[in-house]
Amino acid sequence: QKEVEQDPGPLSVPEGAIVSLNCTYSNSAFQYFMWYRQYSRKGPELLMYTYSSGNKEDGRFTAQVDKSSKYISLFIRDSQPSDSATYLCAMRYGGATNKLIFGTGTLLAVQP
Amino acid sequence: EAQVTQNPRYLITVTGKKLTVTCSQNMNHEYMSWYRQDPGLGLRQIYYSMNVEVTDKGDVPEGYKVSRKEKRNFPLILESPSPNQTSLYFCASRENTGELFFGEGSRLTVL
Repeated sequence: QKEVEQDPGPLSVPEGAIVSLNCTYSNSAFQYFMWYRQYSRKGPELLMYTYSSGNKEDGRFTAQVDKSSKYISLFIRDSQPSDSATYLCAMRYGGATNKLIFGTGTLLAVQP
Repeated sequence: EAQVTQNPRYLITVTGKKLTVTCSQNMNHEYMSWYRQDPGLGLRQIYYSMNVEVTDKGDVPEGYKVSRKEKRNFPLILESPSPNQTSLYFCASRENTGELFFGEGSRLTVL
């Protein structure tokens, strides 16, 4: 079983839709949770960063962490064609090594 | 502009021909890392370096070497490439507890 599971999609939605992207994980020791966005032919870039449980909002993006269910989500409101990309969840333990474990990514296409 | 620069961006080579992918960062980050990205497998760490002259294996180090002689540079060396090393490679750097900054990727094909 992979430490981090993510539905690869692809996910296609119309412009303006609310998008929900999800990851599940198996190790309860993870403390830091991130979402990266990767455009085609580009490197991943950090989108959202959350420590422990709870919600974090940044503009149209909301990240949720439910540690009891080992489940994290990224919501995109009023989705735009420019949101079309692969979204990678990532998480790590605390401590000096700080190794990130990535999900496989979900490919999102927002249709105009 | 803060960036991680990789070269080459695209490379086609043949089995057994040694190659080096260079990586340079201009953010004075101590931590640098190499990942490979494959369909269905996601990003997997190859090697990482916590500081100059300090390197350690990641999850998939077989067939790769790295060196960290200067803070800004972290080259990835494939001494004898094989077709199963065909992949998309990313170099990344960060401050010890901060976010990872990724390069734009190097697509390698080994025939």
